[in-house]
Amino acid sequence: NAGVTQTPKFQVLKTGQSMTLQCAQDMNHNSMYWYRQDPGMGLRLIYYSASEGTTDKGEVPNGYNVSRLNKREFSLRLESAAPSQTSVYFCASSEVTSGRVEEETQYFGPGTRLLVL
Amino acid sequence: QKEVEQDPGPLSVPEGAIVSLNCTYSNSAFQYFMWYRQYSRKGPELLMYTYSSGNKEDGRFTAQVDKSSKYISLFIRDSQPSDSATYLCAMTDNYGQNFVFGPGTRLSVLP
Repeated sequence: NAGVTQTPKFQVLKTGQSMTLQCAQDMNHNSMYWYRQDPGMGLRLIYYSASEGTTDKGEVPNGYNVSRLNKREFSLRLESAAPSQTSVYFCASSEVTSGRVEEETQYFGPGTRLLVL
Repeated sequence: QKEVEQDPGPLSVPEGAIVSLNCTYSNSAFQYFMWYRQYSRKGPELLMYTYSSGNKEDGRFTAQVDKSSKYISLFIRDSQPSDSATYLCAMTDNYGQNFVFGPGTRLSVLP
């Protein structure tokens, strides 16, 4: 099992360009998440999807859109990139969002480093 | 005030030392407390979780929660160079909503 995979690993964009970050998991998990990680800020939730066909905003959704393409795949789109979106983006998945932490264990991908000039 | 606070470090200790990592939080609704370990240029991986107050031990790692003080700790005994990583605390409420991470503490264990 590959677990959670993310592409690309690294990307440089110019301000105003658009791009889509891809995430896939092979653990048959229902829930998927997108986080950004910035120095001193920890992981901040951008969007999450509790199940196929549903998406919800997290703490910092502005400037992003997501698509839960199927149970395996959850993509994050930047329509018009800004320097403030320079960050490391992590995708994660978990079995359910039930409030039972043993089911909520989140498995993370290796991250995508994005630099917006 | 941030919802979860954590000393960013870096914390450098000699091999074999006992390490204490801590987080404080402000939201009394948090019930589940987790510690993640993140190696450089990798995603976080779950190390331990506890529910409500008390201690939990797993090998060289002990997680401690004091809800009355809104304070959680992770102790690492007999620390090894392979423990060198950033340690993130995380917590959530009973409903699995409002899942919040601390900013992380960078730990270096020197051989």
